[in-house]
Amino acid sequence: AQKVTQAQTEISVVEKEDVTLDCVYETRDTTYYLFWYKQPPSGELVFLIRRNSFDEQNEISGRYSWNFQKSTSSFNFTITASQVVDSAVYFCALSDGNNRLAFGKGNQVVVIP
Amino acid sequence: GAVVSQHPSWVICKSGTSVKIECRSLDFQATTMFWYRQFPKQSLMLMATSNEGSKATYEQGVEKDKFLINHASLTLSTLTVTSAHPEDSSFYICSAADLNIYEQYFGPGTRLTVT
Repeated sequence: AQKVTQAQTEISVVEKEDVTLDCVYETRDTTYYLFWYKQPPSGELVFLIRRNSFDEQNEISGRYSWNFQKSTSSFNFTITASQVVDSAVYFCALSDGNNRLAFGKGNQVVVIP
Repeated sequence: GAVVSQHPSWVICKSGTSVKIECRSLDFQATTMFWYRQFPKQSLMLMATSNEGSKATYEQGVEKDKFLINHASLTLSTLTVTSAHPEDSSFYICSAADLNIYEQYFGPGTRLTVT
């Protein structure tokens, strides 16, 4: 069974600080996809990144960066120089071969101005 | 990116009535759509997988007779909550998969309140 663990529930940071969100996953599949989504108060999910299991390259997109390590089954997400607009719930998710997504419990990020 | 719409965006209904939620892929064909439910301050839980022209596949613990799913065309799936009760109040989110490029797009969600 697919499982995603996001241990930190709520994280508060002062604006301009960096924040790292941990994601640990479990799967028996050799081919799988990992995702991060942002859910602002409006509720609509915003896609941030997709990574397949064969691509362990880290990625940077503006202030966002992701660290994928298959050896530890982790796919961590860092927001650099956080801003108030980054306040949201962030979900890590794992997809099986049929596109079915298993979501972690989410990290509530609060950026304090 | 592709667009998925949901209608209505919010609905209030009385206990015992049924309510239908539509999920549409606006600019691509989706052979597969998914329905998720999210309770306040909780994660998204997959309810069912909807395949065009066939019966939906429900996740364990989801009552198929209560949550009726129909996927009659490549751009439309509907979720009907039958005989709704207050405990069915939740945020329902659909997603549509464009299998040609292995992408899944989420709708904006429907907030259901049963009084």
